[in-house]
Amino acid sequence: IAGITQAPTSQILAAGRRMTLRCTQDMRHNAMYWYRQDLGLGLRLIHYSNTAGTTGKGEVPDGYSVSRANTDDFPLTLASAVPSQTSVYFCASSDGQGREQYFGPGTRLTVT
Amino acid sequence: AQSVTQLGSHVSVSEGALVLLRCNYSSSVPPYLFWYVQYPNQGLQLLLKYTSAATLVKGINGFEAEFKKSETSFHLTKPSAHMSDAAEYFCAVSDQGGSEKLVFGKGTKLTVNP
Repeated sequence: IAGITQAPTSQILAAGRRMTLRCTQDMRHNAMYWYRQDLGLGLRLIHYSNTAGTTGKGEVPDGYSVSRANTDDFPLTLASAVPSQTSVYFCASSDGQGREQYFGPGTRLTVT
Repeated sequence: AQSVTQLGSHVSVSEGALVLLRCNYSSSVPPYLFWYVQYPNQGLQLLLKYTSAATLVKGINGFEAEFKKSETSFHLTKPSAHMSDAAEYFCAVSDQGGSEKLVFGKGTKLTVNP
């Protein structure tokens, strides 16, 4: 069982470019999440999806968009990247209230 | 909204010493509580979770945590630190209102000295 996969592992991106971070889970979890991790700030929720076809905004949604066309995939798009979006991005999934979240290995993004 | 406070962004212990990482949450309603560990350049891995069963929760790698409602705390302990415990540790609490979202603390980086 792979769990959660993320792609790419790392990316250097020029400011103003569009970028989609991919996330796929094989656990059939209903809920999925995108976080960014920055030094000293911990993990901050960007967007989430409680079930396929629905999405919601987290703590820091500006500049990001998501879609949830099916249960397994939850891509995160930066429409026009800015240097402040340099971060490590983690995708996670869970299956019910009170259940733990399972995390992917992360994508390290540098916007220059 | 829920909040989580982890006291001490950095904790340093000697190998074999007690590990104590502190976590306080803000909820007035007993929540679901979690501790995660992150090793360098990896994702987060669940250490243990509290879901209103026993107040003393045992996790992996010899870690345990005690839920204290009166103190709104969920501190993580390990009797004897090992070099392999060096990592960053995150406390998380379930958001209120039936949501599956978690609110994370800012993390505590544990250093284990030989």
